[in-house]
Amino acid sequence: DTAVSQTPKYLVTQMGNDKSIKCEQNLGHDTMYWYKQDSKKFLKIMFSYNNKELIINETVPNRFSPKSPDKAHLNLHINSLELGDSAVYFCASSQTGGNQPQHFGDGTRLSIL
Amino acid sequence: GNSVTQMEGPVTLSEEAFLTINCTYTATGYPSLFWYVQYPGEGLQLLLKATKADDKGSNKGFEATYRKETTSFHLEKGSVQVSDSAVYFCALNANTGNQFYFGTGTSLTVIP
Repeated sequence: DTAVSQTPKYLVTQMGNDKSIKCEQNLGHDTMYWYKQDSKKFLKIMFSYNNKELIINETVPNRFSPKSPDKAHLNLHINSLELGDSAVYFCASSQTGGNQPQHFGDGTRLSIL
Repeated sequence: GNSVTQMEGPVTLSEEAFLTINCTYTATGYPSLFWYVQYPGEGLQLLLKATKADDKGSNKGFEATYRKETTSFHLEKGSVQVSDSAVYFCALNANTGNQFYFGTGTSLTVIP
C-alpha cells in the first residue's frame, strides 16, 4: 500500500545511454512532481504536472522529458545521459490546495559510469 | 518572490540536547509552512505543518510555530535522540499554485 512508488530504486548505466524512471501514486492526488537531489542534499524542482498538464518546467536540459499518461503516473525519460546527471531523483505528489503537503517516493539513485 | 532560508549545517549534538533549526521565509500572500525529514537512503517525509499565523505544528516531540511578524518557522525539540539523525528541510507553499519552495536542508547528527 505504498503511497508514491518509484522504479527502479537504483540505476547504474553508461554515459550516452537513454533511461526511464517510473512513478505512480495511489493517493488520488491531482499534482505530481519530479525533483533532483544532488550530493549536498539540495533539492531542485524539475517538472510538475496537474491533471496530466505540465505546469512547472524549470530550466532543465531538453534531454529530460516527462510524460504523464494519467494523473496517477508521471514518468521521466532521460536521453544521452551525462556524468552530471548522477543524482537521486524523487517523485512527489500533492492535492491542489496550499495547505496540503507533498508526499515523496523513496527516490531513484542514478549513477553514470 | 517566494523563498526559504535555513540555517547551514551540519549540526552535531549529544543525545538529550536541545535542538533548534532556524528557518525564515519570504512569500507573497499567506503561505503554508512545512518541515520534512529525510532519513539516510529514504525519501522526504512530512514531519509537521502549520497553515496560518500563530499555528503550532508538532509531531514526534518536534515543534514549530508559524511567526508572521518575524517570517519564521523554527524547528525545536527538547531532547534529541540518536534516531533523530537525518536531514531536515523547511518548505513553503504560497497557496497561489502547486509549487513548493524548499530550503537547502540541515543535516543533524546526534551522538550517544
